[in-house]
Amino acid sequence: EVQLVESGGGLVKPGGSLRLSCAASGFTFSSYSMNWVRQAPGKGLEWVSSISSSSSYIYYADSVKGRFTISRDNAKNSLYLQMNSLRAEDTAVYYCATPTENGDWGQGTLVTVSS
Amino acid sequence: DIQMTQSPSSLSASVGDRVTITCRASQGISNYLAWFQQKPGKAPKSLIYAASSLQSGVPSKFSGSGSGTDFTLTISSLQPEDFATYYCQQYNSYPWTFGQGTKVEIK
Repeated sequence: EVQLVESGGGLVKPGGSLRLSCAASGFTFSSYSMNWVRQAPGKGLEWVSSISSSSSYIYYADSVKGRFTISRDNAKNSLYLQMNSLRAEDTAVYYCATPTENGDWGQGTLVTVSS
Repeated sequence: DIQMTQSPSSLSASVGDRVTITCRASQGISNYLAWFQQKPGKAPKSLIYAASSLQSGVPSKFSGSGSGTDFTLTISSLQPEDFATYYCQQYNSYPWTFGQGTKVEIK
C-alpha cells in the first residue's frame, strides 16, 4: 500500500523559512517523479513544484520560483520542499503526490504564515 | 499558462441522479486531464487520469471523456458519499493547472 506522510508544517512569521518533508513507502520511490500541491484555506488546489525521479528536471509555479526549492533523497525515500521568504499568501495545506497516473496523495501538512 | 474552466461551479442533485461536470482548457491538452474528488478536511482523491482511465479502486459509476479542450466527468447514479467538490487538472504542460472546482450538494 502506498503511503505518503508529510511533516514539517507549522506557524512561521513572514520572511521566515520552513522545510517540509514527505516520507514515501509502498512503491519504488526512486522510479517516479514527485509533486507538491497546496491548498489555501477555503480555496482550490494549486500546483507548486515537481521533480523528476533522478532530480534532473525540476519545475516551479511562478508564485514560488526563487523562494522554494524542491529536492529528494532516493536512498531515504523522501521528498522535500525548502520554503524561504515566506509570505502570508503561502498559508496553505501542502500535499505531496505521486505522478498523476498513479494518483496517490498524502494527508497534507498545514503551513501558516502570520506575525 | 493553460486556464482550466469548470462548469458549473456548484450544483444541487438528488441521490440517484446522473451528474455531469465539464472542464474546458484554454488550449489543447490532448488527453492529459485528471479528475479529483475532495471532501471537507480531507486530501484530494484521484478518480480519473488520461481523461478517461479510472484509478484503481474507483467505482465504475465515475467516468470521464473528452480530448483536446473539452472534457466531462459523469457520475452515473449519485450516492450520499459522492457529495463533495470535484476538480479537473491538466498535466500536459507546466505549470500544471486546476479548475476552480465544482461543489456537488444534496438537493
